[in-house]
Amino acid sequence: KNEVEQSPQNLTAQEGEFITINCSYSVGISALHWLQQHPGGGIVSLFMLSSGKKKHGRLIATINIQEKHSSLHITASHPRDSAVYICAVRGIQGAQKLVFGQGTRLTINP
Amino acid sequence: KAGVTQTPRYLIKTRGQQVTLSCSPISGHRSVSWYQQTPGQGLQFLFEYFSETQRNKGNFPGRFSGRQFSNSRSEMNVSTLELGDSALYLCASSFYRGDVETQYFGPGTRLLVL
Repeated sequence: KNEVEQSPQNLTAQEGEFITINCSYSVGISALHWLQQHPGGGIVSLFMLSSGKKKHGRLIATINIQEKHSSLHITASHPRDSAVYICAVRGIQGAQKLVFGQGTRLTINP
Repeated sequence: KAGVTQTPRYLIKTRGQQVTLSCSPISGHRSVSWYQQTPGQGLQFLFEYFSETQRNKGNFPGRFSGRQFSNSRSEMNVSTLELGDSALYLCASSFYRGDVETQYFGPGTRLLVL
């Protein structure tokens, strides 16, 4: 079992829909990151969370430390949101390397 | 401020050769991390450097090595290349504000091993 699991792996939706991507992890963490990767490879860091909730524009990220779960929400989705969204956690024990989920490929159709 | 730069952007090598990739972080960032991305394994952590010291290392064979210079620029080296080393190699520099870390990724170096 991977330390970080994302669901769904693929998601297709219509423009304007509310999107939720989930991330579950099995280890104690000091932080969780949400990343966005567009076709061509460029990666942008969206959020770093250690507790609670963060909002930036139409993006909202939440984390529940007790349940070892985080969600990324996109409101009023737009075709430009089409990308791969990656969850990554930084552990608190041993080497504090980033461990990545497998990514969620999101396609928003006009 | 200029972003994270990586050179070269594309590289073709043959099995058995070695390769050196370079990463220049954003000015003032002292932490540089390297990642490998492949279709099969996704993103995997290679190493992290902070002020010229390797702070963390991923589960890669000793053929993968890196270093960081006093100006925070970093290089990674892969010796005795194998076909499976074909991947996108990404570098990221980190900025810390208190406990909050923001990573800035470079465009990557796409390596093809023939």
